[in-house]
Amino acid sequence: DAGVIQSPRHEVTEMGQEVTLRCKPISGHDYLFWYRQTMMRGLELLIYFNNNVPIDDSGMPEDRFSAKMPNASFSTLKIQPSEPRDSAVYFCASSPGAFPGSYGYTFGSGTRLTVV
Amino acid sequence: SQQGEEDPQALSIQEGENATMNCSYKTSINNLQWYRQNSGRGLVHLILIRSNEREKHSGRLRVTLDTSKKSSSLLITASRAADTASYFCATGASGANSKLTFGKGITLSVRP
Repeated sequence: DAGVIQSPRHEVTEMGQEVTLRCKPISGHDYLFWYRQTMMRGLELLIYFNNNVPIDDSGMPEDRFSAKMPNASFSTLKIQPSEPRDSAVYFCASSPGAFPGSYGYTFGSGTRLTVV
Repeated sequence: SQQGEEDPQALSIQEGENATMNCSYKTSINNLQWYRQNSGRGLVHLILIRSNEREKHSGRLRVTLDTSKKSSSLLITASRAADTASYFCATGASGANSKLTFGKGITLSVRP
């Protein structure tokens, strides 16, 4: 397996533009997580899915953020409109297991987002 | 919160020395995990230790867990320059909404 695949690796966009980040989890993993990492706030969980269903989106900062998982092999995180404070590295991770903390997570390489 | 807190925040050692990193947490857990993150990369899962285990080994890594003190330690023996990275502990509880909670990480520098 190629691991968790994220695209793009880098994204530079202007304030107000829509940004879409993409993730392909490991086949057979029931859980998919979206994280954001910044120097100031560390690693923050934004939302996670179980079998394609959003379970907990309490970490989504505001309505500008949305996430979907239309099937078991694809998820998107969308920011519309983007703002400079959204600049961060966004990670997708997946894991197997009966509950979300039962096994280790496999992380993608991340998308470094810069909003100017 | 069950969030793990790592200690120290930063550690600098000479190649060949052992590195010990600690993690404390507040509530009961099902397991505790350690991850490594190299600069510009995603986190990599290193080891998972369950609440009924006291010690676990993986290559040059040794993890201990003391549930009575709510603490864990990660020991890297005979460190190498390639071990330079950030290390995170994460705690997992039981139950349907028990996602992992990550600490802020320890920056380890191994000087050649």
